[in-house]
Amino acid sequence: ELKVEQNPLFLSMQEGKNYTIYCNYSTTSDRLYWYRQDPGKSLESLFVLLSNGAVKQEGRLMASLDTKARLSTLHITAAVHDLSATYFCAVDEAGTALIFGKGTTLSVSS
Amino acid sequence: GAGVSQSPSNKVTEKGKDVELRCDPISGHTALYWYRQSLGQGLEFLIYFQGNSAPDKSGLPSDRFSAERTGGSVSTLTIQRTQQEDSAVYLCASSLLMGQGEEKLFFGSGTQLSVL
Repeated sequence: ELKVEQNPLFLSMQEGKNYTIYCNYSTTSDRLYWYRQDPGKSLESLFVLLSNGAVKQEGRLMASLDTKARLSTLHITAAVHDLSATYFCAVDEAGTALIFGKGTTLSVSS
Repeated sequence: GAGVSQSPSNKVTEKGKDVELRCDPISGHTALYWYRQSLGQGLEFLIYFQGNSAPDKSGLPSDRFSAERTGGSVSTLTIQRTQQEDSAVYLCASSLLMGQGEEKLFFGSGTQLSVL
């Protein structure tokens, strides 16, 4: 059974600081996804990482994938309030369903 | 429409009643998922349809839950004899398999189910 674990589950951040969210998974898959969910809204795709060593960046967010360690990180640089949301990682194996972690809820305050 | 459409957006029902939740995926998307999200929890996988293949029902929590996808498009999730623990947001997503096996899911806004 594929398991996806995120930590921390809650993160209170100060504006301007840097933080990292971790996503561990139990399969040998090399496909990992990051999604964002704002309160009361549905999920929105952020990044797709398709190979070992893949790195994607958009704005203050950077995601990376280490398939050997079965680990992905989502790094936040100089946090701003607009980044407050819940972030999910998800993993699949070929031909199977996409399985999500429990999510990390970020709260950025000044 | 341009996105995944779910109806109703809110459903309040009494314990023991049956409910049907509907999902209209993006036209042309071959895969369709149902997930459940309880308050403050992550996404719990329920069922996955991919093209004409047999659906992956491994996430359905009990035999009270069933889903079908007609004509490879619209899907209905049915919960029979609802229980209070069924209260959650039910999210539908559709996707298109792209190059390199990439699969990007597009989510609907969900159906908030409340069982009294």
